[in-house]
Amino acid sequence: DSGVTQTPKHLITATGQRVTLRCSPRSGDLSVYWYQQSLDQGLQFLIQYYNGEERAKGNILERFSAQQFPDLHSELNLSSLELGDSALYFCASSVEGGGLTGELFFGEGSRLTVL
Amino acid sequence: GQSLEQPSEVTAVEGAIVQINCTYQTSGFNGLFWYQQHAGEAPTFLSYNVLDGLEEKGRFSSFLSRSKGYSYLLLKELQMKDSASYLCAAADRGSTLGRLYFGRGTQLTVWP
Repeated sequence: DSGVTQTPKHLITATGQRVTLRCSPRSGDLSVYWYQQSLDQGLQFLIQYYNGEERAKGNILERFSAQQFPDLHSELNLSSLELGDSALYFCASSVEGGGLTGELFFGEGSRLTVL
Repeated sequence: GQSLEQPSEVTAVEGAIVQINCTYQTSGFNGLFWYQQHAGEAPTFLSYNVLDGLEEKGRFSSFLSRSKGYSYLLLKELQMKDSASYLCAAADRGSTLGRLYFGRGTQLTVWP
């Protein structure tokens, strides 16, 4: 158990819909990262938040947005869903700067299926 | 940006030694990571190399050559539970260590 909690574990929805994925980081970790893992693209960095502020942005579509709340939990919002958005979405957390080893602690992921 | 290449699959028998290679091309570099991912599960951290050389951690060792853009993960005394996907990942220079570029993963199958 990494200490990172993600909900829901599975989600099935239709094209055009909007979903929200939720993540609670490990206790004490201020950084939250979102990654997308699909069969054709592998594991890709989407976005990072640190203590409530956006810190880095990767290959995140404009239809997607995220935020980190004062209690440090984070939400990833996916809208106008397309078939190609079907993927496993991971949240990860770390200490500031990744600590000595840069280790990321991943949650179990939210598997999104768009029909 | 970053580009990482690793073989798609490797097989070995229980008790053997296996090496999984990763080559990378980067516009900046701040270290090379290895993660293990069992099917349907979260990736878990194995190692981080930022300087050239070999880092040993129990049955797992990781090597880095920055001049060659090359890393490998060495797994000794293979066990059935080592069957998993092994992902190499690189961090950008000047970027947060959590922003990683991952390779597509190498699926290791350990046979009895």
